Amino acid sequence: DSGVTQTPKHLITATGQRVTLRCSPRSGDLSVYWYQQSLDQGLQFLIHYYNGEERAKGNILERFSAQQFPDLHSELNLSSLELGDSALYFCASSVEPVQDEKLFFGSGTQLSVL
Amino acid sequence: AQSVAQPEDQVNVAEGNPLTVKCTYSVSGNPYLFWYVQYPNRGLQFLLKYITGDNLVKGSYGFEAEFNKSQTSFHLKKPSALVSDSALYFCAVRASTGFQKLVFGTGTRLLVSP
Repeated sequence: DSGVTQTPKHLITATGQRVTLRCSPRSGDLSVYWYQQSLDQGLQFLIHYYNGEERAKGNILERFSAQQFPDLHSELNLSSLELGDSALYFCASSVEPVQDEKLFFGSGTQLSVL
Repeated sequence: AQSVAQPEDQVNVAEGNPLTVKCTYSVSGNPYLFWYVQYPNRGLQFLLKYITGDNLVKGSYGFEAEFNKSQTSFHLKKPSALVSDSALYFCAVRASTGFQKLVFGTGTRLLVSP
């Protein structure tokens, strides 16, 4: 168990809908990262938050947004969902956003858009 | 921008034989290199990292990786494979200067047969 908790584990929804994925980092970790894993594109970095502030953005669509709250949990909001958004969404955390630090991953949220 | 290539989608090896999972990278300046493993229905788990120093890095579960600067490679190795090593393996790279995102390869599925 990595100590990173993601809910829900599975989410089935329809095109055009909006969903929220939740992540609780390991106790004491200030950095939260979101990744999207799909069969055709592998593991893609979406966004990184550190202590409530956005630090880096990757290949995140404008329909997607995220935030990190004062208690350090994070939420990834996906709106106007399309079939192609179906993927496994991972959250990862680390203590500090230093270059050589390893990440601890949650078990992911499997999103299916029908 | 940094990138990682894992040229093999799948590697098959018999139990007890040595295994190698290949990874090449591209990054400006010196790299920080990582290997992660993903078991079914689980998040990624850290295996090992190269920051500086000895080119041969030892990690969890008997795995090691060899950093080769001239070939820009960071191949994962294990002297004797176990059936339980069967999983999806990801190589990742990050530049050592500036704040850069951690970029993952597309993953290599390792299948160890009894």
